[in-house]
Formats: sequence, C-alpha cells, structure tokens
Amino acid sequence: NAGVTQTPKFRILKIGQSMTLQCTQDMNHNYMYWYRQDPGMGLKLIYYSVGAGITDKGEVPNGYNVSRSTTEDFPLRLELAAPSQTSVYFCASSLGTSHTGELFFGEGSRLTVL
Amino acid sequence: AQKVTQAQTEISVVEKEDVTLDCVYETRDTTYYLFWYKQPPSGELVFLIRRNSFDEQNEISGRYSWNFQKSTSSFNFTITASQVVDSAVYFCALSEAPSGNTPLVFGKGTRLSVIA
Repeated sequence: NAGVTQTPKFRILKIGQSMTLQCTQDMNHNYMYWYRQDPGMGLKLIYYSVGAGITDKGEVPNGYNVSRSTTEDFPLRLELAAPSQTSVYFCASSLGTSHTGELFFGEGSRLTVL
Repeated sequence: AQKVTQAQTEISVVEKEDVTLDCVYETRDTTYYLFWYKQPPSGELVFLIRRNSFDEQNEISGRYSWNFQKSTSSFNFTITASQVVDSAVYFCALSEAPSGNTPLVFGKGTRLSVIA
C-alpha cells in the first residue's frame, strides 16, 4: 500500500539551483496538491490539480511550477532556488470530484536552500 | 475568504488530563466542510475527521470528541484522558463548497505536548 510517495525526503540546494520534487500516488485520485509547511505557519497551498492536464495556483505559487501529465504524477519544480523556499513540502491527493474529501499526504520533503 | 484560526499555539498537559483544542473558522458559504488532521513527531499528516456544515451533531471516537457549533463558528477537538502518544501538532482546516469549490485552508496548528 504505497499511497502517496514523495522523493527526495531531504535535499540541500544552493541559491539559484533548480530541482524537482517528485510525487506519485497509486490510488487513482483525481485531485492532487502541493503544500509547504513553515514553522508555526501551518500549511500553505502552492499548486493543485483536479485532473491530468489541469493545474491551478494556490496561495503561494511564486517560484514554483507544476505539471500533471498523468493521473499518478504531480511533480513540483523549483526554479532558481531562494532561501525563502527552505521549507517542508507535502504532496497530497484526494478521491472525488471536489476539494471536500479526505487528503492523503506523502511523508514530506525537507528542502534547505543555502 | 475562508479563514481558520487556532489561537492556541502550544499546549502542555500531564498524562490523563483532558484537553480541548480550539478552532474558529470564517466563511461566507452555507455549505462547507471542516477537518482535523494530526501531525505526530514523525512528520506525516493523518486525517482525523471531516464534518459538513449541515451536521452539527457532536462526534465521539474513542478518547476523541468534536464539538461543532455554527452559532460560534467553532469546531473544537477534545482529547479525554490524554496519553503521551497524543503529542502532536493538530491542524484544523476548512473547505468551502460548492460555490467556490476551494481547496482546503489550514489553521496554523496547535502543538500538544502530553507529559508522562
């Protein structure tokens, strides 16, 4: 029972480098999300997707890009990493046709930008 | 715009005490869903409960109970006879539906420490 799988779990980047956080789910969920979690700030939505080929911005999309070419995969791309992107990133998915379903989360990816 | 406020940043209790985590929400929709998630020290987020705006019945699940009051826009979470394993960050969240069909908005979380 894999559920939502995120890789890598930890990464250190230098300022200006780029990288992709991978997220895969095997539950055939249509809805997928990327959140970032900063200490004491809760979870902020970066991007979300309601199905393959459809993506939309969340609350804090600047500095990030996503794509959704398949139902299973929802990678998050960081271009020109900045210290402000140091955070823990969570991918989540949800069954159903609205945002009201239970979210299934990955284990998180801790990113440090130095 | 939807908003969730968890005023308690950190709470410490001694094992076996009861503890209530507060959640106050703001929404313009009459149809919405409220959630609680748990994030233990290991870091993963775990779903605890979902409640829609038309169901104000309180819910009990073992030592956990939830009190939903639309009159005060609150959805509070009580742990009875707390245990060390309850130590975690707890998040309250809100999704408006169906008018905006907006993704979940989370509160900032309450860190609960249960001391043996």
